[in-house]
Amino acid sequence: DTGVSQDPRHKITKRGQNVTFRCDPISEHNRLYWYRQTLGQGPEFLTYFQNEAQLEKSRLLSDRFSAERPKGSFSTLEIQRTEQGDSAMYLCASSPTGTSGGVDTQYFGPGTRLTVL
Amino acid sequence: GNSVTQMEGPVTLSEEAFLTINCTYTATGYPSLFWYVQYPGEGLQLLLKATKADDKGSNKGFEATYRKETTSFHLEKGSVQVSDSAVYFCALSERGTNAGKSTFGDGTTLTVKP
Repeated sequence: DTGVSQDPRHKITKRGQNVTFRCDPISEHNRLYWYRQTLGQGPEFLTYFQNEAQLEKSRLLSDRFSAERPKGSFSTLEIQRTEQGDSAMYLCASSPTGTSGGVDTQYFGPGTRLTVL
Repeated sequence: GNSVTQMEGPVTLSEEAFLTINCTYTATGYPSLFWYVQYPGEGLQLLLKATKADDKGSNKGFEATYRKETTSFHLEKGSVQVSDSAVYFCALSERGTNAGKSTFGDGTTLTVKP
């Protein structure tokens, strides 16, 4: 079990550019979550997947944000036309389903820190 | 909607002092409750959890009890160490269809001095 991994760990971009982040969950986990964390705040829910199906999107996720999990394994989060307000840490988490671990226990990746200049 | 309120920090303690970080929540259903810890430069790590009323979660000397009547989940440790310095987040997670979707508090920064 290698844990949840995210790539890149840091991204600096200019306003107006598009960026894409990747998350690789723990292999047997069916659920995958994206959160955003700004300085001094707790993580805020963005969206989550059950296998390849995107089940919910937060109102925080504007039309410039899109997430996919095409084969029910890794996921990507794309931000188009980035704005300075998008600067934050983007966290990915995964959780198992079934009775062994409980679907509500999440395991977090190290995050991708985005800086928009 | 759901919300989590943590005591404001930062909290600074001397080594071996007693720690309490207060957490209260508002939830539409019957959530699971969690404490996560974030060490400098690292991701969130699950510290402990409780899934039903009166359950006590414990790990690494930390404890928290699910108090449904007061909607609280306060974190305690009897004797803190310098290595406990970190940011602590209280969180709740929904059950049912949205199981796993979590709401976090804003975090409490703990600094333990030798």
